[in-house]
Amino acid sequence: EAGVAQSPRYKIIEKRQSVAFWCNPISGHATLYWYQQILGQGPKLLIQFQNNGVVDDSQLPKDRFSAERLKGVDSTLKIQPAKLEDSAVYLCASSWGQGGTGELFFGEGSRLTVL
Amino acid sequence: GQQLNQSPQSMFIQEGEDVSMNCTSSSIFNTWLWYKQDPGEGPVLLIALYKAGELTSNGRLTAQFGITRKDSFLNISASIPSDVGIYFCAGQLAGGATNKLIFGTGTLLAVQP
Repeated sequence: EAGVAQSPRYKIIEKRQSVAFWCNPISGHATLYWYQQILGQGPKLLIQFQNNGVVDDSQLPKDRFSAERLKGVDSTLKIQPAKLEDSAVYLCASSWGQGGTGELFFGEGSRLTVL
Repeated sequence: GQQLNQSPQSMFIQEGEDVSMNCTSSSIFNTWLWYKQDPGEGPVLLIALYKAGELTSNGRLTAQFGITRKDSFLNISASIPSDVGIYFCAGQLAGGATNKLIFGTGTLLAVQP
């Protein structure tokens, strides 16, 4: 079974530029998550989708971050404009159903460096 | 955002030693989980606990769901070099509509052969 696919693996940009990350979850997983992991910290949930609807985006900085999952399968996370503090690994995860068991399957992450 | 408190922050041990780490929260959780993250990878689930007081094993790993539902413990017996990585606890909020997971701050484990 293929795992969660993410791209790009690495991205370096200057502050005020924009960047987009792509995620393809495990086939059949209804729930998709984007987490932000700053160096030395645990992952922090940015947004959670159930199929193509947003379930939780309470910690998404909506003035600069946006995410969509138009067809209920793959998803894109965008940052515009980027700030220095956005440097982090952006992890995509997916789960069966509504994630009630807590078992999330994570991708390898996209590492963003903002200069 | 809320994060769980894990201790110790890091551990440097010899191969063969046993390891203990714990996670505490001010909130009650209905599920506790332990994930491991290798360098350059995403976290991978090790153990899930669904009931207060539950003790669950997965090979050399044993985890417990605290009776107060505000803490959890992970033990690794007879450590080996491939145990190296960052261990995260995660709690799932009781009564949450989104089944949101809150992750801990992580424990870095280094094992010297």
